[in-house]
Amino acid sequence: EVQLVESGGRLVQPGGSLRLSCVASGFTFSNYNMKWVRQAPGKGLEWVAYINSGGTIIYYADSVQGRLTISRDNARKSLYLQMDSLRAEDTALYYCARGDDDYGPDPVLSMDVWGQGTAVTVSS
Amino acid sequence: QSALTQPASVSGSPGQAITISCSGTSDDVGGYRYVSWYQQHPGKAPKLLIFDVSKRPSGVSNRFSGSKSGNTASLTVSGLQAEDEADYYCSSYTIRSTWVFGGGTKLTVL
Repeated sequence: EVQLVESGGRLVQPGGSLRLSCVASGFTFSNYNMKWVRQAPGKGLEWVAYINSGGTIIYYADSVQGRLTISRDNARKSLYLQMDSLRAEDTALYYCARGDDDYGPDPVLSMDVWGQGTAVTVSS
Repeated sequence: QSALTQPASVSGSPGQAITISCSGTSDDVGGYRYVSWYQQHPGKAPKLLIFDVSKRPSGVSNRFSGSKSGNTASLTVSGLQAEDEADYYCSSYTIRSTWVFGGGTKLTVL
């Protein structure tokens, strides 16, 4: 079964740091690009970051640029989100999502597999 | 990057068809075929319904269909069923190599 499982979310004070993890199973993780998407309580989805299969191409939303860092360890089949200088507006459920097989013939740039999310709360 | 524009809510009776619009710009929806739609039930993760404007992943009902005209994409749900009641989000790749979502539409089955 193709699966993504996030962890690491917790309550953290403003200005603090946190690292989220996402472990993949059921597919060849090292072939796929990955994304983080977040959802603030009662709000819509917001794309946060993208990383290609090799970890060499990375993009961020303007709202997190310079504070959040996406990375991956293909040997561990894991995706990470290092979160620094956290703000109240970073409070959200953070999902990891699978993108395209970077070695496939025709990218579709969608997100076809999602984890269940891990909750981050930034509050004093 | 501004969110794509969706109606906050739509409703329909069982068996009817509804359409949800998703308006963007030539830098996102209008400029690429990379428009996708997601369904999210309360307390659940989003589920991919449509990719590449109009393609359905394996296992998604053919009652869901997508289209695009200019800078506006649309999702049509035909033969409404109670289980279709959920939030729906459009998404597009953008000229800045980023992704943008719509604000979401709550579908109520009357």
